[in-house]
Amino acid sequence: EVQLVDSGGGLVQPGGSLRLSCVASGFTFSRYWMSWVRQAPGKGLEWVANITPDGSEDYYAGSVKGRFTITRDNAKKSLSLQMNSLRAEDTAVYYCVTDAFDHWGQGTLVTVSS
Amino acid sequence: DVVLTQSPLSQSVTLGQPASISCRSSESLVYSDGDTYLYWFQQRPGQSPRRLIYLVSKRDSGVPDRFSGSGSGTDFTLQISRVEADDVGIYYCMQVTRGRTFGQGTKLEIK
Repeated sequence: EVQLVDSGGGLVQPGGSLRLSCVASGFTFSRYWMSWVRQAPGKGLEWVANITPDGSEDYYAGSVKGRFTITRDNAKKSLSLQMNSLRAEDTAVYYCVTDAFDHWGQGTLVTVSS
Repeated sequence: DVVLTQSPLSQSVTLGQPASISCRSSESLVYSDGDTYLYWFQQRPGQSPRRLIYLVSKRDSGVPDRFSGSGSGTDFTLQISRVEADDVGIYYCMQVTRGRTFGQGTKLEIK
């Protein structure tokens, strides 16, 4: 069974940093593009970033480009999202997702507030 | 950037009746390989989204055949032939032909 387990969310002050993690199991992680998708409270879904299977290329939504970095460790079957210069508008549940969007983590809540 | 516009944004349907959600794209979603990368998702209250449909009309494993997708180019539709109580939630279309974009979501309620 495919499982994606998200973690690392929490409360952070504006301008602060946070690192999200996702551990995958049940599939050959190293063969798949992976994405992060977020959902602000009561709002719709927003794609954030994705990364190639070998980690050599990454792509970002304009709203996070230059502030967020997606990385992966295929040996550990893990995906990460380093979030810097956080803003109130980054407050959301963040989901780790296969880039075919057929498997989703449970989400981890990031709250940016003073 | 590709913009996906869903309509209606909310829908109240009687149990057993059909429902239909439209998703219109600002650009053609036909990729250079000839496929159209348009997906539909269901998000039940308090849950992660679940993919229902990929490549416009292919149902994911375990998705009831009450759900069907259709369309081409820039106009797409998700239909539920007979709404059940379990179908309550928000439905999103998404394109991955040119970047990745979600529609605004359509809230489905039972009348």
